[in-house]
Amino acid sequence: EAGVAQSPRYKIIEKRQSVAFWCNPISGHATLYWYQQILGQGPKLLIQFQNNGVVDDSQLPKDRFSAERLKGVDSTLKIQPAKLEDSAVYLCASSFAGLSNEQFFGPGTRLTVL
Amino acid sequence: GQQVMQIPQYQHVQEGEDFTTYCNSSTTLSNIQWYKQRPGGHPVFLIQLVKSGEVKKQKRLTFQFGEAKKNSSLHITATQTTDVGTYFCAPPPPNTGNQFYFGTGTSLTVIP
Repeated sequence: EAGVAQSPRYKIIEKRQSVAFWCNPISGHATLYWYQQILGQGPKLLIQFQNNGVVDDSQLPKDRFSAERLKGVDSTLKIQPAKLEDSAVYLCASSFAGLSNEQFFGPGTRLTVL
Repeated sequence: GQQVMQIPQYQHVQEGEDFTTYCNSSTTLSNIQWYKQRPGGHPVFLIQLVKSGEVKKQKRLTFQFGEAKKNSSLHITATQTTDVGTYFCAPPPPNTGNQFYFGTGTSLTVIP
């Protein structure tokens, strides 16, 4: 079974530039999550999708971050414009049915904002 | 913010020694999950505990859920270098509203 795919794996941009990350969850997983993990900290949930609807985005900085999951499969997370404090690893995870089930994480995208 | 605290934050052990990390909540939890993240890697699900006083074992790993369901622990017997990483507890919703929070994590270093 293929795991969660993410791209790119690494991205370096300058502040005020835009960046987008892509995630393809495990086939059949209805729930998709985007996390931000700053070095030395635990993952922080940014947004959770159930199929193509948003379940929770209370910790997503909506003035600069946006995410979509068209057709309920793959998803993109965008930052526009990026700030220095956005430097982190962005993890995508999926689960079969809701948060009480185990989450499968992708390898993450390491973003460096200069 | 974070709903659970983990202790210790860091632990260095000699290979072969035992290791325990504790996860403490101020509120009663319905269930709790544990994840392991290797350096440079992504979190990997280890287990979910649901019942009061539950104990589950995975080879050298023993997971416990407290009787009051406010705390949990992970114990590793005879650590190996492959055990290196950060261990997170995570109480899934509805423990914390709709949010999925990861604990503060315990970073384990195993000295060969």
